[in-house]
Amino acid sequence: ETGVTQTPRHLVMGMTNKKSLKCEQHLGHNAMYWYKQSAKKPLELMFVYSLEERVENNSVPSRFSPECPNSSHLFLHLHTLQPEDSALYLCASSQEASGNSYEQYFGPGTRLTVT
Amino acid sequence: GQNIDQPTEMTATEGAIVQINCTYQTSGFNGLFWYQQHAGEAPTFLSYNVLDGLEEKGRFSSFLSRSKGYSYLLLKELQMKDSASYLCVPFGGGGNKLTFGTGTQLKVEL
Repeated sequence: ETGVTQTPRHLVMGMTNKKSLKCEQHLGHNAMYWYKQSAKKPLELMFVYSLEERVENNSVPSRFSPECPNSSHLFLHLHTLQPEDSALYLCASSQEASGNSYEQYFGPGTRLTVT
Repeated sequence: GQNIDQPTEMTATEGAIVQINCTYQTSGFNGLFWYQQHAGEAPTFLSYNVLDGLEEKGRFSSFLSRSKGYSYLLLKELQMKDSASYLCVPFGGGGNKLTFGTGTQLKVEL
C-alpha cells in the first residue's frame, strides 16, 4: 500500500464515546500532521509531529489527544466531543530536512459526525 | 504571521486558460505551494516554488516573484475535472508549519 491512509473513513459518535482515528504513511517521511477542516473553512493545523516528537499544538482542546508511536503511524484519540467538532479530519506527512519544509501529502480524511 | 490574498471564486470555460493570482505577506519566506482540493476530499500537491520564475508541469504552471510577494497558478486546456478549490500556501520562518487559506473556488463550465 502506498501514500497516506486513514481509518476509518467515516465515523459517527456520541458525545460520551471514546474513539481513535488512525493514520499511516508509507512514504518514509519523518513528519506527520493532523488538520481539521470544517465546512467552507480553511484547513486548521492541530498537531505536528517531527521525528515522533510533538513540535506544535495549536491550542487544541484536551478532548483531542494525539499519539505518534513511530514515524509511520499517527493517532488522534477522541473523547467527550462536542457537535461542533464534526468535521473532516485530515492527516498529512512530509519529509523534513534541516528545518526546511517540503510538500505535504494528505490522506483521504475521516469524516467525523458527533451526535 | 501570514496574510494570503487570492480571489474567492473564478469561473472559466472548458478548454480555456485561467490564471489564479495570489499575494502574500509572511514573516520570512522559504517557498510557496499550490494545492488543489476537490469538495470533500483531501488537498493534493500541485507545485512548489522556491526561486523566482515559472515552473511548468503539464497543463499547470506556477510563477513566483519573491520581491513582490506574488504568485500565480496558470491552468491551460481547462477540463471539467479542474473544478476545485486552489490553495496558495506560502511558508516561512523555517520549520514545517503551512498555513492554508480558504483558496480560490474555480468553476469550469461548458
